[in-house]
Amino acid sequence: GAVVSQHPSWVICKSGTSVKIECRSLDFQATTMFWYRQFPKQSLMLMATSNEGSKATYEQGVEKDKFLINHASLTLSTLTVTSAHPEDSSFYICSAMLGWTDSVPNTQYFGPGTRLTVL
Amino acid sequence: GEDVEQSLFLSVREGDSSVINCTYTDSSSTYLYWYKQEPGAGLQLLTYIFSNMDMKQDQRLTVLLNKKDKHLSLRIADTQTGDSAIYFCAEEEGGKLIFGQGTELSVKP
Repeated sequence: GAVVSQHPSWVICKSGTSVKIECRSLDFQATTMFWYRQFPKQSLMLMATSNEGSKATYEQGVEKDKFLINHASLTLSTLTVTSAHPEDSSFYICSAMLGWTDSVPNTQYFGPGTRLTVL
Repeated sequence: GEDVEQSLFLSVREGDSSVINCTYTDSSSTYLYWYKQEPGAGLQLLTYIFSNMDMKQDQRLTVLLNKKDKHLSLRIADTQTGDSAIYFCAEEEGGKLIFGQGTELSVKP
């Protein structure tokens, strides 16, 4: 249980185009999802917290107009990188929070990640 | 602010025990987590420990928590080549996870 998928797993796009990444919780409902960015050999950097039915909360330094997040249902959140540039190339990982069940804490379950390369 | 630190590399021989260490700064964290990341993949939750516990064992994994020193460790018994990966510790702060830099574990046959 607690499986999270991401689509696509990798994408190559031209500079100036927009790219949409989907994050789905397959076997549970997630009121909260998170979007992270990871550079090679580095830790995960939290970009934003996505709550179903409301606006995302962005971390300091993350441009909300560039990284559009939509959490339209309890099983789907999307991240759109608008007008992508080569410096946006990175590994983007989402996670979905599974609420308290049988005394297990609010735990984040991660998707497999999406490798974005902007040419 | 919150800061989680780990050593970057650990190399062990197959069959030995691995101990990955982590220090954190936020004493109000209720839970602390260990995640595993294989190359090109997302993070897999390995285990977690509640802050009022000193130790938690789950098969080959043993988590030790020293709350006074804000030190967390993950011991992997009988380490196998399939355990080669990057291991992240994380503390929870207001529903968010703060990750360490990750420890790259290399298991030599």
